[in-house]
Amino acid sequence: IAGITQAPTSQILAAGRRMTLRCTQDMRHNAMYWYRQDLGLGLRLIHYSNTAGTTGKGEVPDGYSVSRANTDDFPLTLASAVPSQTSVYFCASSARGEGTEAFFGQGTRLTVV
Amino acid sequence: GQNIDQPTEMTATEGAIVQINCTYQTSGFNGLFWYQQHAGEAPTFLSYNVLDGLEEKGRFSSFLSRSKGYSYLLLKELQMKDSASYLCAALDSNYQLIWGAGTKLIIKP
Repeated sequence: IAGITQAPTSQILAAGRRMTLRCTQDMRHNAMYWYRQDLGLGLRLIHYSNTAGTTGKGEVPDGYSVSRANTDDFPLTLASAVPSQTSVYFCASSARGEGTEAFFGQGTRLTVV
Repeated sequence: GQNIDQPTEMTATEGAIVQINCTYQTSGFNGLFWYQQHAGEAPTFLSYNVLDGLEEKGRFSSFLSRSKGYSYLLLKELQMKDSASYLCAALDSNYQLIWGAGTKLIIKP
């Protein structure tokens, strides 16, 4: 693994189903983030974690949950998917603090039907 | 509230220069980032400014004015591969990134 990896790359999901998007990084970054990107709206923060064991809500957290059991993994769960959750999801990590850039995974394209 | 504004779309000619502007309003400020995102791909880091002035990095330069809440990304000697979206993001007092919606740059031959 080099950098930050997301799985799956794409998924079609029936409404009402539960789904976990996986994210793993090998850079030992303390901060991790989940964003969704919709046309015309830019990146919107769903949840974040500043360090292992802690999580926080972003701008659009409803319908999503996260956990951070260790430094490397930051899964995002949709408990009961709805069509409005159709989006491209990006996981990112950073060392956090001033001037530290965020590194992004390749994204997960999720379609809820 | 916190807000980032940048133009939705710009068009430029191959070989020319283009300037993409960004204005921001955030709760505190710890710097401004520019990212490039090609269609269907992840954003990648271009530049970071925390002090006023111009930072030059090859064909790309980024400028910041903290007093005006303003930044721009300057792309010189445009190439077709520069066709992409350019995302402006400000780092607020909690070190959270506030993102603009992105500027889609179209390069014409």
